[in-house]
Amino acid sequence: DARVTQTPRDKVTEMGQEVTMRCQPILGHNTVFWYRQTMMQGLELLAYFRNRAPLDDSGMPKDRFSAEMPDATLATLKIQPSEPRDSAVYFCASGPGGTSASDTQYFGPGTRLTVL
Amino acid sequence: DAKTTQPTSMDCAEGRAANLPCNHSTISGNEYVYWYRQIHSQGPQYIIHGLKNNETNEMASLIITEDRKSSTLILPHATLRDTAVYYCIVRPYNNNDMRFGAGTRLTVKP
Repeated sequence: DARVTQTPRDKVTEMGQEVTMRCQPILGHNTVFWYRQTMMQGLELLAYFRNRAPLDDSGMPKDRFSAEMPDATLATLKIQPSEPRDSAVYFCASGPGGTSASDTQYFGPGTRLTVL
Repeated sequence: DAKTTQPTSMDCAEGRAANLPCNHSTISGNEYVYWYRQIHSQGPQYIIHGLKNNETNEMASLIITEDRKSSTLILPHATLRDTAVYYCIVRPYNNNDMRFGAGTRLTVKP
């Protein structure tokens, strides 16, 4: 049963620390998405990649957030330095990358980040 | 992008059909209707999507009105495990950007 995996599942850190979240997309999928979910804002798209190239990161705070795909099996989302307002659940999703209309996104279980 | 309007919450008796409505009156011709759900503490789960025709899969049915201004997601025999927030999303054909709204919180009761 192919699934998107994310690590860590939970992360507690102190303000100012660097945080790296990792995502393994479903094998063969070539689109990867990062979302953030908070009670106040709901689910927000931060960035997405196709064939490892960033296509849109307009939803991401540029000064402290960065997203990369070092290879086809790994996507990372980094926050440096972290702030309490970054506390949220971060979801990664991947898609098969067919025609856009059929590019269903499959979500991972999320990383719950708490910045103290 | 077209916006969607959904009821904030709904209840359904276990074993009965759950009918979740969604209004998307500003939908354009190349935009698809997608449904996802999110069970507590889990990532969103894809349910179904459609353009004009009604669709059915092993999870649900999607009924889209002829004018495409609204749709209904039908869970034919709701179980307690179907308790979740259900999101209706209108998505352009050439855009991967999915905008999740507040969704409908469905509670299935014994």
